[in-house]
Amino acid sequence: ETGVTQSPTHLIKTRGQQVTLRCSSQSGHNTVSWYQQALGQGPQFIFQYYREEENGRGNFPPRFSGLQFPNYSSELNVNALELDDSALYLCASTNGGAEGTDTQYFGPGTRLTVL
Amino acid sequence: SQKIEQNSEALNIQEGKTATLTCNYTNYSPAYLQWYRQDPGRGPVFLLLIRENEKEKRKERLKVTFDTTLKQSLFHITASQPADSATYLCALAEFTGGFKTIFGAGTRLFVKA
Repeated sequence: ETGVTQSPTHLIKTRGQQVTLRCSSQSGHNTVSWYQQALGQGPQFIFQYYREEENGRGNFPPRFSGLQFPNYSSELNVNALELDDSALYLCASTNGGAEGTDTQYFGPGTRLTVL
Repeated sequence: SQKIEQNSEALNIQEGKTATLTCNYTNYSPAYLQWYRQDPGRGPVFLLLIRENEKEKRKERLKVTFDTTLKQSLFHITASQPADSATYLCALAEFTGGFKTIFGAGTRLFVKA
């Protein structure tokens, strides 16, 4: 087991609602990345935070936003939920710095269902 | 931007044989490439990282190769066991306009006893 924790484990929302997912990174890790994984697909990169600043972003609309706190924990916020947002949301932490050139340790994920 | 292609068909092999999984990328060679294992309902687990100036990397029964000419990485599991059954993901880093990690869709491996 990695030291990365995510909450909640499962979540059910309805279309149009907003959701906040949380991640606690492994001790000593200053970089957090968020991924969306649809069934049968690989994880899709949403964004990465390094020392509280967004360091990179994938092809996701602005309604996907994030925060990283001074203790390096992180939140993923999704506004105006759509049915296609139903997926497993993964958080990964690393101590690779701005280039992320280090092993990523993944949390167990949050399963989001949008009805 | 980069794309990663992994064999979408499941790989079925007999216990004790060597499993070989393929990862092809489309554009420039990445600074490094990673392989992860993912079990159903769980987050990926890091296995190996290989850098562009390395041809081969080994860890116990695992071996990864990196061929920048073919734009391909091969992942081998020798003396495979039923416990090796999982989905294996290939990932690379891209540094255009910020940092990104790109994952392939993964290849499902089944090892039969």
